Amino acid sequence: QSALTQPASVSGSPGQSITISCTGTSSDVGGYNYVSWYQQHPGKAPKLMIYDVTNRPSGVSNRFSGSKSGNTASLTLSGLQAEDEADYYCSSYTRSNTQVFGTGTKVTVL
Amino acid sequence: DVQVVESGGGLVQPGGSLRLSCVVSGFTLSGSEMNWVRQAPGKGLEWLSYISSSGSTIYYADSVKGRFTISRDNAKNSLYLQMNSLRVEDTAVYYCARRAPSNYFDYWGQGTLVTVSS
Repeated sequence: QSALTQPASVSGSPGQSITISCTGTSSDVGGYNYVSWYQQHPGKAPKLMIYDVTNRPSGVSNRFSGSKSGNTASLTLSGLQAEDEADYYCSSYTRSNTQVFGTGTKVTVL
Repeated sequence: DVQVVESGGGLVQPGGSLRLSCVVSGFTLSGSEMNWVRQAPGKGLEWLSYISSSGSTIYYADSVKGRFTISRDNAKNSLYLQMNSLRVEDTAVYYCARRAPSNYFDYWGQGTLVTVSS
C-alpha cells in the first residue's frame, strides 16, 4: 500500500486560509468516506482533527474543515494562527481493511 | 481521563527482538480495535498493524509481516507488539492508537522509541 500523496509544505500568513491536499486511489480515499486528518507538533503524538472526511471531534476549532472530491481529500485551515504551525497527516481506510497515511505536510505560519 | 501509555522501547542490535506494551485507561480495551503506528526519525507516520476487539482479526503492513506480531490481553487492558528480526530501518517511535468504528484513530499514546543499531 503506497502512502497517500500530500504536498511537502504549505505556508500562509496569520488570518489567511490554506488548503492541504491528500491524493490516493479508488481503493482508499476515493472508495470510502473514511478519511481523517491529524495534527502533530514536534515531539508530540498526533492529534485527530477531522474524521469521516468532514467531521470535527469535540474541542477542535471550527477553523478546520475537510472535504473530498474523487480520489483527493482536502483539509482547509481558515484564519491561520501561529499555533497551527505543525505537521499534518491524512489517513484513509483501504480496500485491504488496513489504513494508510499521507506523506505529511509541514504548515508554516509566516 | 483517557490514558494510553506505551513502554518497552530501547536500543537493540540488528536481528534482535523487542516486545512493546501499551496499557490503556479511561476506556474499555475489550471493546476497542487497536493499532500500532510508527514514525521514523524525521519521517511520516506508517500504519503497522491492527487487531480486532476480540483478537480474532489481525492485519499487518507488508513492511513488518512475518516479523512482528500484535496481541492483546483484555483482562490486563494491554496491547502488545512482539518485534523479531529487527532491522536498522525499524528505528522509530512506536505509537499505540485506538481505531474508532469509523476507521480513524481517536486516542494515541505518547510513543516509545525503538533504536536498532550495532
